Amino acid sequence: AQSVSQHNHHVILSEAASLELGCNYSYGGTVNLFWYVQYPGQHLQLLLKYFSGDPLVKGIKGFEAEFIKSKFSFNLRKPSVQWSDTAEYFCAVTTDSNYQLIWGAGTKLIIKP
Amino acid sequence: GAVVSQHPSWVICKSGTSVKIECRSLDFQATTMFWYRQFPKQSLMLMATSNEGSKATYEQGVEKDKFLINHASLTLSTLTVTSAHPEDSSFYICSALAGRRMDSPLHFGNGTRLTVT
Repeated sequence: AQSVSQHNHHVILSEAASLELGCNYSYGGTVNLFWYVQYPGQHLQLLLKYFSGDPLVKGIKGFEAEFIKSKFSFNLRKPSVQWSDTAEYFCAVTTDSNYQLIWGAGTKLIIKP
Repeated sequence: GAVVSQHPSWVICKSGTSVKIECRSLDFQATTMFWYRQFPKQSLMLMATSNEGSKATYEQGVEKDKFLINHASLTLSTLTVTSAHPEDSSFYICSALAGRRMDSPLHFGNGTRLTVT
């Protein structure tokens, strides 16, 4: 069965630290990859997505993610985090068979000011 | 930007009663909406796909008679949890596809926290 793994449930960083959140999926075919963010009290928002082309994808708010097909990974990165990045981050995948999202469990990110 | 309104945001009900959750797309038409359920420390799990004007498609293991889904218009889908039990306590979230293409934007509601006592 298709699945998405986010290995860290909680991450705590200080402001200006660099961030990398891991995301691995299990599916052998073509995938579309997403990172969503949920700020406290708000609905999920799309950070970035990958469908094809350059595997390094740039999203909003300085985030980027790299699709490494050989590793079945789509890790999210940001070189210097801010306090306002405190939120929960979800990785999600759709496959070439349908567009129903398969979600990771989410990573709660806390940035200490 | 596109907004999906989900109501109520939280509800407490007694065992045996039914609860209806609404999912509305406020500024776009959504032919397809999805209903998810989230257990603590787990990912969102797809319950069903709701298509306007037709019967919902349920995922394996989801009881269609217990979780009634109605998508009567292009802007509204409802999920009714019938004869709720404490094990139905969970976080329910809907999303709406703003278009018919696979890469159409997917917008989420804020979710509904259901507690069954």
